Amino acid sequence: EPEVTQTPSHQVTQMGQEVILRCVPISNHLYFYWYRQILGQKVEFLVSFYNNEISEKSEIFDDQFSVERPDGSNFTLKIRSTKLEDSAMYFCASSGGTGFLNTEAFFGQGTRLTVV
Amino acid sequence: QKEVEQNSGPLSVPEGAIASLNCTYSDRGSQSFFWYRQYSGKSPELIMFIYSNGDKEDGRFTAQLNKASQYVSLLIRDSQPSDSATYLCAADSGSGAGSYQLTFGKGTKLSVIP
Repeated sequence: EPEVTQTPSHQVTQMGQEVILRCVPISNHLYFYWYRQILGQKVEFLVSFYNNEISEKSEIFDDQFSVERPDGSNFTLKIRSTKLEDSAMYFCASSGGTGFLNTEAFFGQGTRLTVV
Repeated sequence: QKEVEQNSGPLSVPEGAIASLNCTYSDRGSQSFFWYRQYSGKSPELIMFIYSNGDKEDGRFTAQLNKASQYVSLLIRDSQPSDSATYLCAADSGSGAGSYQLTFGKGTKLSVIP
């Protein structure tokens, strides 16, 4: 069964460092997303990506964040100058989409980012 | 502010009973609605989605949507201990084709008692 894969599963970084979280979406999907979940809180939307550009982003997704699809399979989230409050589980997701209606968005297993 | 509200629970039901989970949403422009199951420390796992008013059944699960009341529900029949998890309701609140984003509720914690 196709699945979204994320690496690494756990990343520990020092405050102020840059991290890159990696994702391989499901191969025939066209829409890619990053979400995050701070421990004990709700899942929050960060950004959606379609046709090689950002289609939606939330208030959380400020200049500290960037996304890239460097090749035909990978989708990355870069967090520059990490802060303690960036510690969270980061989920990549992908979906097919049928025009106006969103269809199933499947989530990867997540990367737990710990900023120390 | 687009919001999805859920009762955080915990909701406890005996094994074999029907579990009823509810959700309301604020954005009338939302077209698609999703139920995810999340085990502790794991990623959300899609159960089903619905975008037409009425009921949609998939095995032991039935999703119900009432757009006039901005209300979505999930019924789990013949609940099993393995159904014990947090159930997340999500509404798509993107601006249209190619611009999808899910707004999640905080989730309802379900406990199925053997």
